[in-house]
Amino acid sequence: GENVEQHPSTLSVQEGDSAVIKCTYSDSASNYFPWYKQELGKRPQLIIDIRSNVGEKKDQRIAVTLNKTAKHFSLHITETQPEDSAVYFCAASPGSGGYQKVTFGTGTKLQVIP
Amino acid sequence: DTAVSQTPKYLVTQMGNDKSIKCEQNLGHDTMYWYKQDSKKFLKIMFSYNNKELIINETVPNRFSPKSPDKAHLNLHINSLELGDSAVYFCASSHGSSGRARETQYFGPGTRLLVL
Repeated sequence: GENVEQHPSTLSVQEGDSAVIKCTYSDSASNYFPWYKQELGKRPQLIIDIRSNVGEKKDQRIAVTLNKTAKHFSLHITETQPEDSAVYFCAASPGSGGYQKVTFGTGTKLQVIP
Repeated sequence: DTAVSQTPKYLVTQMGNDKSIKCEQNLGHDTMYWYKQDSKKFLKIMFSYNNKELIINETVPNRFSPKSPDKAHLNLHINSLELGDSAVYFCASSHGSSGRARETQYFGPGTRLLVL
């Protein structure tokens, strides 16, 4: 089965700096890679996703990059703000066919220091 | 207009008891899931149903029994609760049939279970 590793487990940055979270996956059949943000005491929510036919995707201050050859993908947050503080999860899924199981990484707790 | 709802939000109970958690989604999705999030925040899938049929059953003790009366509901019954069952249980749903965003999972607010 798929195995998703995520680093670092915790990350502290100063407000305004950038934050990068990296994930690797094991199953070459995976071609859908979502990122979820979970604020303290809240539910995980999708913030951005990328598919294997795309190398990079941006949405305002967040961007994801994917290197399918190396089987790794990353989340980049620029100009961090205190409200970016949360746990971030990467995930991988085959993304095609009838049903796809999503395998989550172990999470990164991001703290943005004002 | 809650998309995915769960009840109860908090559940405190004694070891050995049996309890149920209910989940409902009004998004018209055909796939629903149960996840367990432990104290280290790991999100682990437990079960998944597609159109009321069980399609994923991870290595979960058989004290846990999901039930899907229709595709908008997925309940979780837990027998003989143990201390290690203490966690946050999230229900989620996704549109598994077709469409570009079909894999996006929409999570419920979570049920915080504490077994004493």
